[in-house]
Amino acid sequence: DIVMTQGALPNPVPSGESASITCQSSKSLLYSDGKTYLNWYLQRPGQSPQLLIYWMSTRASGVSDRFSGSGSGTDFTLKISRVEAEDVGVYYCQQFLEFPYTFGAGTKLELK
Amino acid sequence: QVQLQQSGAELVKPGSSVKISCKASGYTFTSYDMHWIKQQPGNGLEWIGWIYPGNGNTKYNQKFNGKATLTADKSSSTAYMQLSSLTSEDSAVYFCARRSQYYFDYWGQGVMITVSS
Repeated sequence: DIVMTQGALPNPVPSGESASITCQSSKSLLYSDGKTYLNWYLQRPGQSPQLLIYWMSTRASGVSDRFSGSGSGTDFTLKISRVEAEDVGVYYCQQFLEFPYTFGAGTKLELK
Repeated sequence: QVQLQQSGAELVKPGSSVKISCKASGYTFTSYDMHWIKQQPGNGLEWIGWIYPGNGNTKYNQKFNGKATLTADKSSSTAYMQLSSLTSEDSAVYFCARRSQYYFDYWGQGVMITVSS
């Protein structure tokens, strides 16, 4: 199975500052079609996860442009600019390259 | 609008089975895979498997072979997951989620299953 390893945030993050969450995969998620099969989700307290970013850097419909994804085949970063109260929750990266689909353990963002 | 409405919380005894549901609306049920994901308290997310309601094809995470059984009823646009031989390790919240291309774009609200005598 592909192992997804997420980094921690230096919580709490001051409101209005930027935050970067890292994720590393045990296998390259870059496929021969040129797409990188890495997704980011946010799970707000008491809610279901919601899609933020897919194909490593494409924002999902309705997602604020304060969220941006970048990376290589195995190392990824989710950047959140000007952190707001609604950004609080746990962020998960997920690989969609092969079965079984696997998630990182999650990175918690708390607001100062 | 797309909605996935899951059934209510369950309290079940060790060794028993439970079947939970996920009713889809707002889209053509038979055109999208439905996936199931497990979240244990304080833990991350674990993919269980998927079913394609159009033809009933399924695929499971090997870890859940024999534990989870996925079915779908086209007439009611409802996906089901049965969990068998329940132990305390099965106590968790279970989500259904629709796959669009290569991501989960809509999630149910989750069902909490508590296994306790």
